Amino acid sequence: NAGVTQTPKFRVLKTGQSMTLLCAQDMNHEYMYWYRQDPGMGLRLIHYSVGEGTTAKGEVPDGYNVSRLKKQNFLLGLESAAPSQTSVYFCATSYNEQFFGPGTRLTVL
Amino acid sequence: AQSVTQLDSQVPVFEEAPVELRCNYSSSVSVYLFWYVQYPNQGLQLLLKYLSGSTLVKGINGFEAEFNKSQTSFHLRKPSVHISDTAEYFCAVSRYSGGYNKLIFGAGTRLAVHP
Repeated sequence: NAGVTQTPKFRVLKTGQSMTLLCAQDMNHEYMYWYRQDPGMGLRLIHYSVGEGTTAKGEVPDGYNVSRLKKQNFLLGLESAAPSQTSVYFCATSYNEQFFGPGTRLTVL
Repeated sequence: AQSVTQLDSQVPVFEEAPVELRCNYSSSVSVYLFWYVQYPNQGLQLLLKYLSGSTLVKGINGFEAEFNKSQTSFHLRKPSVHISDTAEYFCAVSRYSGGYNKLIFGAGTRLAVHP
C-alpha cells in the first residue's frame, strides 16, 4: 500500500521546456489535488479533480494543465516552463481528509 | 472569504520546553480545522483535526489543539518538545465548496528545537 506517490522527485528545466508530473494513488479516492509550495506562502491549490475525467481550476492555475484519465492518476503539465514555476509541487488525495505525496522539487532556469 | 493566519513564522525553543504555535482563521461559516506537519524534504502529514464535538483535540506525537470559536483560533500545543519535533507546521481550514473539501493553508510556522 504505497499511498500517494509522485514522479519525479526532482527536475531541472530550462525556460520554455515542457514536462509532466505524475501523481498516483492506491487508496481509491475520488478527489485529487495539485498544490505548489513556496516559502512564506504555505500551499496554494493549482488544480483539482473530483473524479475520473473531471478537472477544475484552483487558486493559481495559470501556466498549468491537468488530466485525470484514470481514477488513480492525476497528471500536472507545464507546457512552457517559466522561472516563476520554480517550486515544490505536492499532490494530495482525499476522502474526508487529505493525504499528501512526498513532493516534486522543480527548478526552472 | 476564508483566510488562515499563523502568527509566528519561526519559533525557536529548547528541548523539553513547552511550545504553542498560534493559528487564527476568518470564516463566517462552520469550518473544519487541521494541523499538518512537514519534516524536511517530506510531504505533509496530518497531526490532528477538529470536525465537531470537544474543543480540545489530541493528535499524534503528543500534540493537542484547542478550538476557540469566539476567538476564531486553533492553537497547537505540546507540553514538552523533542529535537525530532523540528519541522514546519501548517494550520488549515476546510469548507465544502464547489464540489470538494477546499483546504486553505496558513503560511506555516517553522519550529526549531534546540538541545
